This record gives sequence, C-alpha cells and structure tokens, in this order.
Amino acid sequence: ETGVTQTPRHLVMGMTNKKSLKCEQHLGHNAMYWYKQSAKKPLELMFVYNFKEQTENNSVPSRFSPECPNSSHLFLHLHTLQPEDSALYLCASGDKSYEQYFGPGTRLTVT
Amino acid sequence: GESVGLHLPTLSVQEGDNSIINCAYSNSASDYFIWYKQESGKGPQFIIDIRSNMDKRQGQRVTVLLNKTVKHLSLQIAATQPGDSAVYFCAENPPPSGTYKYIFGTGTRLKVLA
Repeated sequence: ETGVTQTPRHLVMGMTNKKSLKCEQHLGHNAMYWYKQSAKKPLELMFVYNFKEQTENNSVPSRFSPECPNSSHLFLHLHTLQPEDSALYLCASGDKSYEQYFGPGTRLTVT
Repeated sequence: GESVGLHLPTLSVQEGDNSIINCAYSNSASDYFIWYKQESGKGPQFIIDIRSNMDKRQGQRVTVLLNKTVKHLSLQIAATQPGDSAVYFCAENPPPSGTYKYIFGTGTRLKVLA
C-alpha cells in the first residue's frame, strides 16, 4: 500500500457514457497528478494540482475534466471518450521532496 | 519532444545473478532522477533516486549510477530474485526545479529465470 487509493480499479464504458475516476491520498501531500499509461508508451502526464490549484494541463483533450476539491482528493471526469483513450490511468501524489507515490491505477476500456 | 528512453525492452536474468538496466535521458540540465518498479496490476513503485550532484547511490541490493557526460543512468540489482520480475523505468526531472514534472522512459521488462 502506497497511501494512494484509486476507484474503480476497472472500468468499461461506451463512447457516449459519462464516468468519473477517483483518487484519494492519505499522505498529507500537496501535489496530485493524473497520468495515462498506454501499452509500449511512456507514462504521459495529464494534469498536476498543487495546493488544489491546477498547475499543469499537458494538452489533454477536453473530454477529460479533472477536479481537485481538496488536497486529498482528485477526480477525473470522463465523457464522450474514444477507443484510443483505453489505458491505465494512474494517480500520484507528492511533496517538495520530489518523490511521487502512485496509486494502483484504473484500467479503462472504451468500447 | 524530449523523452527518456531505455536501450533494452526485455532483460532475462538468471536468479542470483546481477541485473543492469540502462536508461538514456535527454535533458542535460535535469537535476533529479528516479527509478521505478511496476509489477503487473500495480502502480509504479519508487526504488531509488539520485541527484545530479552525485555519481552513485546505493540502496538495499540496488545501485543507481549516473553518468552526466553521456546522459546515462543505470540501475543495478544484486542477486536478482524472482520477486524482482517487473517493468523498470526511469524518470528525469528537467528544469525548472520544483515543478513536480517528470519525463518517463518506456520501461524495461526484467524476467528472472529460476
């Protein structure tokens, strides 16, 4: 256990559905991240939140909408996704010590 | 764009032998590097880190070497065990420092043979 939890662990959704991914960290960190991990590709940074403020949007399509209500929770709202969005979505948290702690990920399949 | 790459996609090692996983990073000004281990069905797990003012750092059974001249990073695992089987990838933190942004490599799969 890394202190970062993600739900659900697996999600199958149609292209017209709306769903949300949830991440929670119990480490007292100030920064939270969303990453996308596709097969045979490097981890792709999507969003960064620092003290609840979004500090990074790495040119992510608007069909992905993040929300950070407080420093412990991070959501990723999904709508009208495409099959190529199928991937493992990882949440991480960190502080100024640079180390990032990852959650187990949500395996998303878009049909 | 900038990227961090790994030389070998798959490495097979006999149990008990030492493993060496390599990584080429792209930004000569990167000041912090991390090695991660990712087991099947799990998120990446921190193994060891090193700052750019160091050439070598040792942990428990693992050693990271940094060669800034050729922008090369390596992870050495001593006496490799079956539990070491996983994907390993490196990450670099390019400037500006403290931005919490990392560039990750694609990963090397380590297979430990009994």
